[in-house]
Amino acid sequence: DQQVKQNSPSLSVQEGRISILNCDYTNSMFDYFLWYKKYPAEGPTFLISISSIKDKNEDGRFTVFLNKSAKHLSLHIVPSQPGDSAVYFCAAILNTGFQKLVFGTGTRLLVSP
Amino acid sequence: DTAVSQTPKYLVTQMGNDKSIKCEQNLGHDTMYWYKQDSKKFLKIMFSYNNKELIINETVPNRFSPKSPDKAHLNLHINSLELGDSAVYFCASSHQRTGELFFGEGSRLTVL
Repeated sequence: DQQVKQNSPSLSVQEGRISILNCDYTNSMFDYFLWYKKYPAEGPTFLISISSIKDKNEDGRFTVFLNKSAKHLSLHIVPSQPGDSAVYFCAAILNTGFQKLVFGTGTRLLVSP
Repeated sequence: DTAVSQTPKYLVTQMGNDKSIKCEQNLGHDTMYWYKQDSKKFLKIMFSYNNKELIINETVPNRFSPKSPDKAHLNLHINSLELGDSAVYFCASSHQRTGELFFGEGSRLTVL
């Protein structure tokens, strides 16, 4: 039972345009959400996060939006750059006292020049 | 100067063998994890240790035994390897109560 879903396995965007990566979750007990970025042959690296008490968090070109009623979050990258090409994982934390991240299946973003 | 390092990066072995993957972090974190990424690209938590104490064990078969000799190390030993164990195993670390995990580069295990 996949509690965090990324329904788009891939996304292609032109350089300079906006990239929007989507993520849906089923468990309303999740209280913290993160995005990780992964290049081939490397481990995932933390990108940006958002607490469930907020609906938006911005860090440079990256903005994460959270819609709790829809159990949906999205990552916006603007402007997109070729170096952003990677797999992006959405993750959610079920705070059982110690952190337990539940990851989505990832979306492969390709930004073409 | 790698923050979270795993060895080996690649491991090819026969069914039934026993193998280990080592993990070390030099970030001073108190919590370490093992994640498995299977063929469907799901990243699933297997174990988590906080200050050498097991805190998360996600219904992983007994053939998998993590060992944490100290806070900076979390090794994964797998007995009687099966074909379904083929995957990429990621070690990670964090400070307790943060979601910002620092991952190693992964260890690709292939069981023939």
